[in-house]
Amino acid sequence: GQQLNQSPQSMFIQEGEDVSMNCTSSSIFNTWLWYKQDPGEGPVLLIALYKAGELTSNGRLTAQFGITRKDSFLNISASIPSDVGIYFCAGHAGQAGTALIFGKGTTLSVSS
Amino acid sequence: DAGVTQSPTHLIKTRGQQVTLRCSPKSGHDTVSWYQQALGQGPQFIFQYYEEEERQRGNFPDRFSGHQFPNYSSELNVNALLLGDSALYLCASRDWANYGYTFGSGTRLTVV
Repeated sequence: GQQLNQSPQSMFIQEGEDVSMNCTSSSIFNTWLWYKQDPGEGPVLLIALYKAGELTSNGRLTAQFGITRKDSFLNISASIPSDVGIYFCAGHAGQAGTALIFGKGTTLSVSS
Repeated sequence: DAGVTQSPTHLIKTRGQQVTLRCSPKSGHDTVSWYQQALGQGPQFIFQYYEEEERQRGNFPDRFSGHQFPNYSSELNVNALLLGDSALYLCASRDWANYGYTFGSGTRLTVV
């Protein structure tokens, strides 16, 4: 099935460092979402973006909806051990009710 | 307020058997989607139900079928199980008017 191109695939960082990951699509998206998944759990919504150029923050997390509507990025500032997990980008190409398309995920490891 | 609940949490089936997975959406949500997540991959959309009808379907064979009940709960049925059907099956619910999906913790299906 269709998936978004998400990079990097994995990251190993020190506690306190900033993290950046991004996601690209070959087609235009109307909504970008960022999720975090912990082992044995379902994805949890972190940030939702609805307009091209939109920049939205949630605590230490900041995400942006690319101007071209074909990309998005997520930044995590001052990482802490509980940031460990898999981060997924996801998007809607259509209106509300259409399926979410997911990236393959970025696995984040944080050493203290 | 209970979120999305799925049952069972784990399941082992033999190739060729049939399986039924269950999902209760978050209170106030009327739309249920099912996703398949293979190991190391992002979730792949199977289908979505709203008002007891299948509204959208992903690229999955007819062996995958579903149902939504009047109380908005849903079932995913898979017939003639293949080894490749082994995955985490996620249920997600939302209010039809909104984009934000809430995911359950999933059912881990192993086909042997």
